[in-house]
Amino acid sequence: SQQGEEDPQALSIQEGENATMNCSYKTSINNLQWYRQNSGRGLVHLILIRSNEREKHSGRLRVTLDTSKKSSSLLITASRAADTASYFCATVAYNQGGKLIFGQGTELSVKP
Amino acid sequence: GAVVSQHPSRVICKSGTSVKIECRSLDFQATTMFWYRQFPKQSLMLMATSNEGSKATYEQGVEKDKFLINHASLTLSTLTVTSAHPEDSSFYICSAVDRYSYEQYFGPGTRLTVT
Repeated sequence: SQQGEEDPQALSIQEGENATMNCSYKTSINNLQWYRQNSGRGLVHLILIRSNEREKHSGRLRVTLDTSKKSSSLLITASRAADTASYFCATVAYNQGGKLIFGQGTELSVKP
Repeated sequence: GAVVSQHPSRVICKSGTSVKIECRSLDFQATTMFWYRQFPKQSLMLMATSNEGSKATYEQGVEKDKFLINHASLTLSTLTVTSAHPEDSSFYICSAVDRYSYEQYFGPGTRLTVT
């Protein structure tokens, strides 16, 4: 079963704007990861944040994690048309051998 | 970086036939591999955990007799969809966990279409 939910399900913005996607989960986690998927393609790993971390940056990406609320957010700053894709959060629980449980995903469309 | 391949990338088969999908870790050993299924416009659903040298662990609701998983070596896991039906048409993605670094890497996916 899916771990949690993401919102919004779809997001359409103009190039240059920031995009924020949220993810909620239900159980205790070891870490949370964000992935990107272009239509019909495989997954690209973006960033991993551990349960003892609150914020992490990678280039134009900023991820936050609030374990008390069981939620995470992914911020993409200064978006580009090439950022158009689906974005998924995925959680790894303790003692699950690395099993990833994915959220429902956010479909991001960045218009030039 | 570590690479995981899947073969075939696309397959079309007739209803009632069986299809085998391979997942290979090309430059690392993986004691654990995962199989996911993704329907159009939906998220990835974990189907099963493939463990080298032992039986796969299936998620609730996944028929083990329909989706046969074999992980016979440290670099290869196969998923066989038996007696395929049109509703099995989906994108199947595997991932492999490096036995030493525990990093997980995804394959590019296999598009299965059952006619």
